[in-house]
Amino acid sequence: DAKTTQPPSMDCAEGRAANLPCNHSTISGNEYVYWYRQIHSQGPQYIIHGLKNNETNEMASLIITEDRKSSTLILPHATLRDTAVYYCIVKGAGGTSYGKLTFGQGTILTVHP
Amino acid sequence: NAGVTQTPKFRVLKTGQSMTLLCAQDMNHEYMYWYRQDPGMGLRLIHYSVGEGTTAKGEVPDGYNVSRLKKQNFLLGLESAAPSQTSVYFCASSYEGRARNEQFFGPGTRLTVL
Repeated sequence: DAKTTQPPSMDCAEGRAANLPCNHSTISGNEYVYWYRQIHSQGPQYIIHGLKNNETNEMASLIITEDRKSSTLILPHATLRDTAVYYCIVKGAGGTSYGKLTFGQGTILTVHP
Repeated sequence: NAGVTQTPKFRVLKTGQSMTLLCAQDMNHEYMYWYRQDPGMGLRLIHYSVGEGTTAKGEVPDGYNVSRLKKQNFLLGLESAAPSQTSVYFCASSYEGRARNEQFFGPGTRLTVL
């Protein structure tokens, strides 16, 4: 699975959009981009994933660049409860990488009033 | 649905003691996973299972054993606990191991080995 690079920390004002970047320059054609978050030592929580196209669900939007070498997770209206560690993970669709998630250090997002 | 549950939530062991962590899921998922998380670090995969009766090694398997006798349960065993195994242990499950399927995580077990 491709490696990812994320900033160690970011701040965001409550009610504003939080844009979390992720670099995955070695991503291959069949690898998906996943985002998970972990709130204060709880189990990680799935947010969203995508392959090529931009994706949106009730929690967030995922913007993947055309060359797929980077992506941005967008929380449109951040709340204090969104303060968490956000993990960007690139995962293959087959072979020995089936099902396995490789967690890096992630980005600590702090939402302040 | 309870989702993924883990037993116990907390445990303190002495070096050399053994214990078993239990993970249960009620979502009929095929795949199950055990991760550990050390302070300030991301999760690392210990062992995983792609179905009842099958297990495989992950990134950091040494010192642990696992069993998947029933589809809904995945047990993690420490035969002789060491202080280096002090960590938070998370179990997860997914419907199948394809990239498109999300993993659901349990609340974690905090283990301290003295």
